[in-house]
Amino acid sequence: EIALTQSPGTLSLSPGESAIISCRASQSVTSGFLAWYQQKPGQAPSLLIYRTSSRATGIPDRFSGSGSGTDFTLTISRLEPADFAVYYCQQYGSSLWTFGQGTKVEIK
Amino acid sequence: QVQLVQSGAEVKKPGSSVKVSCKASGDTFNSYTFSWVRQAPGQGLEWMGRVFPRVGTSNYAQNFQGRVTIIADVSTSTAYMELSSLTSDDTAVYYCATEPRYSGSYWGQGTLVTVSS
Repeated sequence: EIALTQSPGTLSLSPGESAIISCRASQSVTSGFLAWYQQKPGQAPSLLIYRTSSRATGIPDRFSGSGSGTDFTLTISRLEPADFAVYYCQQYGSSLWTFGQGTKVEIK
Repeated sequence: QVQLVQSGAEVKKPGSSVKVSCKASGDTFNSYTFSWVRQAPGQGLEWMGRVFPRVGTSNYAQNFQGRVTIIADVSTSTAYMELSSLTSDDTAVYYCATEPRYSGSYWGQGTLVTVSS
């Protein structure tokens, strides 16, 4: 199985700032099949980015994904109050999918 | 798009099994794969496995091999996850979800499974 390691574990930022979250895979992610999810307390996760850099329908362009091979990044520009949540990366390029451990973006 | 509705909360004894259902509506059942993901209290997301209704095959995470069975009933557009030999460590919210694509990744509302003697 491919292990995903996210960093940092927690990001303390103010509204209007940018968040940069890293996701590193233990082996290359096939065809860039790397997704990012947002989860708020008491809710199911919600897809933001699929295939490394493609935004899911309805996701604003403040959310962007990049990367290749084993290193991937989620960038959230101009943080809004609704963006403070936990973010997970997921690889789905191998037969066994895996999630990162999550990054909490909290208000500073 | 597809809507996923899961079965209700369960309380189970250690050593027993639990079976959770996930009924899909609104789109072609066979055009999706259905994963099961669990989240223990205060913890992250853990992928358990998935089923491909179109071909009827499943893949399971190594942590759950031999203990989990994920199947799909095309006639009722329902996916099922059965987990056996339950311990308190299996107390979690269990979600069914579709794969990531442009239209999104659809998730059920979650099913709380509590394992307690």
